[in-house]
Amino acid sequence: NAGVTQTPKFQVLKTGQSMTLQCAQDMNHNSMYWYRQDPGMGLRLIYYSASEGTTDKGEVPNGYNVSRLNKREFSLRLESAAPSQTSVYFCASSSWGLYEQYFGPGTRLTVT
Amino acid sequence: EDQVTQSPEALRLQEGESSSLNCSYTVSGLRGLFWYRQDPGKGPEFLFTLYSAGEEKEKERLKATLTKKESFLHITAPKPEDSATYLCAVQASAGNTGKLIFGQGTTLQVKP
Repeated sequence: NAGVTQTPKFQVLKTGQSMTLQCAQDMNHNSMYWYRQDPGMGLRLIYYSASEGTTDKGEVPNGYNVSRLNKREFSLRLESAAPSQTSVYFCASSSWGLYEQYFGPGTRLTVT
Repeated sequence: EDQVTQSPEALRLQEGESSSLNCSYTVSGLRGLFWYRQDPGKGPEFLFTLYSAGEEKEKERLKATLTKKESFLHITAPKPEDSATYLCAVQASAGNTGKLIFGQGTTLQVKP
């Protein structure tokens, strides 16, 4: 089992460009999450999907959109990238909300 | 407001020198407390879940404990390979979304 996979691993964007970060899990988990990690700020929740067909905002949703494509896949879209979105993005999944989350390897995004 | 504070921010130990990391939390009803390990350039790796005061979990040289206001991660006779950032996160009992609130982490360096 690969666990949680994310693509791409690295990305450089110019201000105003758009892109989609992809996440997939093969653990048959119901819930999936997107976080960003910044120095001094810790991990912050952007969006989550408690189950297939539902999505909700987390702590820092502005400038992002998500799509729960199916039970395995959860994508994060930046419509018009800004330098403030330079960060490391992690996707995570869990069996249900009560249980531990398993994280992917991350995408390192730089917006110039 | 739900909050998690970890201390110290950084800890340097000699190999074999035992110590403890602290995670203090304020949450409106604790559903679970999670410990993760994060190596540089990688995603967080799940270590433990604690659900109620008095509970303890162990894994190799690590032991996690929980009280009503804080959790400790005790490291006994650490080795250089234990060097990493250790993250604490809590899940509030309100709702069933699985949302976690993370502390900023403690970066541990173990010197040979």
